Amino acid sequence: AQSVTQPDIHITVSEGASLELRCNYSYGATPYLFWYVQSPGQGLQLLLKYFSGDTLVQGIKGFEAEFKRSQSSFNLRKPSVHWSDAAEYFCAVGANQAGTALIFGKGTTLSVSS
Amino acid sequence: DVKVTQSSRYLVKRTGEKVFLECVQDMDHENMFWYRQDPGLGLRLIYFSYDVKMKEKGDIPEGYSVSREKKERFSLILESASTNQTSMYLCASSLPDRFGPQHFGDGTRLSIL
Repeated sequence: AQSVTQPDIHITVSEGASLELRCNYSYGATPYLFWYVQSPGQGLQLLLKYFSGDTLVQGIKGFEAEFKRSQSSFNLRKPSVHWSDAAEYFCAVGANQAGTALIFGKGTTLSVSS
Repeated sequence: DVKVTQSSRYLVKRTGEKVFLECVQDMDHENMFWYRQDPGLGLRLIYFSYDVKMKEKGDIPEGYSVSREKKERFSLILESASTNQTSMYLCASSLPDRFGPQHFGDGTRLSIL
């Protein structure tokens, strides 16, 4: 069965420090992978997505993610965190089939300390 | 810019009531989704629809139904609300192309008393 695991429930990072949020997936075929961010009281916003090609993908707000097939991972990174990055982050996997829904991880809450 | 609008940000209802949550998207998307979000559980799919009058059960459809009479509107119905349905409900839409990301509304925080 398809699944997504985000091992870290809550992470605190100092402002200006680097960030890595982990995501592991279980999927039988080539996955379609997404990272979303949710600010308090808001819906989810797409940060970036991976379908094929270059395994390092760039997203909005200075985020990037690297697809590693051998590790079944799609970790999200940012070189320097800003206080406004404090939010909840969700990794999701999609099926290679039109008209199907995404499977989301349980999310990682990021706190940024000054 | 894609806009997914959920009719209410906050809603308070009583147990046993029939509750309607409305979602409208303005981008002519074929796919629409209803999720429930609870702390520590992430997003769980309730129902989705890939065309008008079509629907598919998600992971937790019990106690819910949906209606899609028009392409732009997808309604979630709690037939007889119960306190365990107190939650944040998120609607999303997407193109049928599997490469298309889902676009989310701002959510409805529903409290059942």
